Amino acid sequence: DTGVSQNPRHKITKRGQNVTFRCDPISEHNRLYWYRQTLGQGPEFLTYFQNEAQLEKSRLLSDRFSAERPKGSFSTLEIQRTEQGDSAMYLCASSPLAVYTEAFFGQGTRLTVV
Amino acid sequence: AQSVTQLGSHVSVSEGALVLLRCNYSSSVPPYLFWYVQYPNQGLQLLLKYTSAATLVKGINGFEAEFKKSETSFHLTKPSAHMSDAAEYFCAVITNDYKLSFGAGTTVTVRA
Repeated sequence: DTGVSQNPRHKITKRGQNVTFRCDPISEHNRLYWYRQTLGQGPEFLTYFQNEAQLEKSRLLSDRFSAERPKGSFSTLEIQRTEQGDSAMYLCASSPLAVYTEAFFGQGTRLTVV
Repeated sequence: AQSVTQLGSHVSVSEGALVLLRCNYSSSVPPYLFWYVQYPNQGLQLLLKYTSAATLVKGINGFEAEFKKSETSFHLTKPSAHMSDAAEYFCAVITNDYKLSFGAGTTVTVRA
């Protein structure tokens, strides 16, 4: 069991640059989630995939954010034209298809926009 | 919509003392509740979950939580704190059958 893997662990970028993060979920999990966590806050839901279909997007996910999960395996989260307010920890999680089950989290990607 | 509120953003306890972290939920349907722990610069790890099978739920690392419908609470406890319990703890509820909604978190510090 390799768990949920996220890369990179840390990313420092200049304002206005584009960044892309990758998440590899637990292999048999159909569901994949992205969350954002800022200092001193709980994780906030960004988006949800069931297999390759993106079924829900939060209003937090502005048009500068895009997420994909081609072939229902790994997922990428891209932020275009980064802003200082995008600095946060981006967490990926996965879970089986069963309802009301817990999600398993990766170690996160910490983004710092300077 | 289901939500949780964690009371107290910081808790400081002495090593060996009781740890009590408070969580209240708001839900129009029977809730499914979770406690997660997060160590610095790490992801979240599940401590325990309530799925209506039993009101007293035991988790990892000696933690347990009791679901009290009359008080809409799901407080987390550990009888004797250890230095390794220093972390941030999050209460969460499942909404829309699959999506976790988290509280703001409680940071626990343990004094030697």
